[in-house]
Amino acid sequence: EVQLQQSGPELQRPGASVKLSCKASGYTFTEYYMYWVKQRPKQSLEFIGRIDPEDGSTDYVEKFKNKATLTADTSSNTAYMQLSSLTSEDTATYFCAMGIDYWGQGVMVTVSS
Amino acid sequence: DIMLTQSPATLSVTPGESISLSCRASQSISTNLHWYQQKPNESPRVLIRYASQTISGIPSRFSGSGSGTDFTLNINRVEPEDFSVYYCQQSNGWPRTFGSGTKLEIK
Repeated sequence: EVQLQQSGPELQRPGASVKLSCKASGYTFTEYYMYWVKQRPKQSLEFIGRIDPEDGSTDYVEKFKNKATLTADTSSNTAYMQLSSLTSEDTATYFCAMGIDYWGQGVMVTVSS
Repeated sequence: DIMLTQSPATLSVTPGESISLSCRASQSISTNLHWYQQKPNESPRVLIRYASQTISGIPSRFSGSGSGTDFTLNINRVEPEDFSVYYCQQSNGWPRTFGSGTKLEIK
């Protein structure tokens, strides 16, 4: 059974950075892109980027290129997303997703002073 | 980037009605279009893949159609548990994008 287990909720100060994790199980981690998706409160979903865990190559949506950094650790089957220079605009739920069908449970990031 | 326009933004219906939700792409995406349901505080759940492919475990009252730029999600006889938000997503290259969603609410 495919599972994507994300890390717990975060409360961060403006200007800080945060690193979110997504531990994959039930499939071969290196065979599928891992996607990251942002959802602000009461808003739609938007892609942030994707990583190919096999070689670490990444693609980002333009607006997130200076905000998010995606990495993957094949020894632990875990994908990471670091968000830098946090502002209130980064307050959202962040999902990892594999393919079309499989999603993590989401992690709420709150940015507040 | 490919834009997806969903309509209507909100649909108010009575349980038992049959409905259609629309998703229109800004350029042709073949059948690389997927439908999701999202309930409050949950992850999106895929209902239909590649425009019309049904998925094991999803009730048969959900069906999809379309290709190119125009797509439809049909719900035959809406059940109480169907009241939620529906999104379309395209996977025709990178970046993938979502529509803005249709909220299905009880009349």
